[in-house]
Amino acid sequence: GAVVSQHPSRVICKSGTSVKIECRSLDFQATTMFWYRQFPKQSLMLMATSNEGSKATYEQGVEKDKFLINHASLTLSTLTVTSAHPEDSSFYICSASTGPNEKLFFGSGTQLSVL
Amino acid sequence: GQQLNQSPQSMFIQEGEDVSMNCTSSSIFNTWLWYKQDPGEGPVLLIALYKAGELTSNGRLTAQFGITRKDSFLNISASIPSDVGIYFCAGHIASGTYKYIFGTGTRLKVLA
Repeated sequence: GAVVSQHPSRVICKSGTSVKIECRSLDFQATTMFWYRQFPKQSLMLMATSNEGSKATYEQGVEKDKFLINHASLTLSTLTVTSAHPEDSSFYICSASTGPNEKLFFGSGTQLSVL
Repeated sequence: GQQLNQSPQSMFIQEGEDVSMNCTSSSIFNTWLWYKQDPGEGPVLLIALYKAGELTSNGRLTAQFGITRKDSFLNISASIPSDVGIYFCAGHIASGTYKYIFGTGTRLKVLA
């Protein structure tokens, strides 16, 4: 299967700092990347959909100024959690697809802990 | 956010037993995907389904795309301890924006 690389796998930061998470498709070009958030023992909640070269589409209730998404190339998307607070602590996972109705491949996730 | 109804929520089974889980929705889907997630990791794709009625196997796993296009089933035969984990279904809605909706998950525990 296709490989999606996500870094870092774990980050601990102080409240008020910003954190950037990278998601790369290593062996395919991803026209669309998705960012999810997952709380312990819960399912994946879609935060936003990003297409290369255009603005991300955010789900209802997700603050676009808080969670900045950049999809600069067909193999890289980044999520920046700005001015992080303890309530932003969560497991963030990216996924990539080559197009609608195609398989969705996931990164290994990033555990964010904000102190 | 929107989620699919997935059942059962959790299962405790004996090694060697078969397992069945399903997802249902009020919306019609074009694609169904089944994933397994281990703690602290991202979901790993198990099976992808693209047509109503399609039945696909991957080793001991078998999944089906429901005829109504509103449901899907995953069966695991002869379970082993390494099958433990959380299983998620995901569906691509036939109309509207391009995104995948996830099920609520089935937590599987296998007793040796």
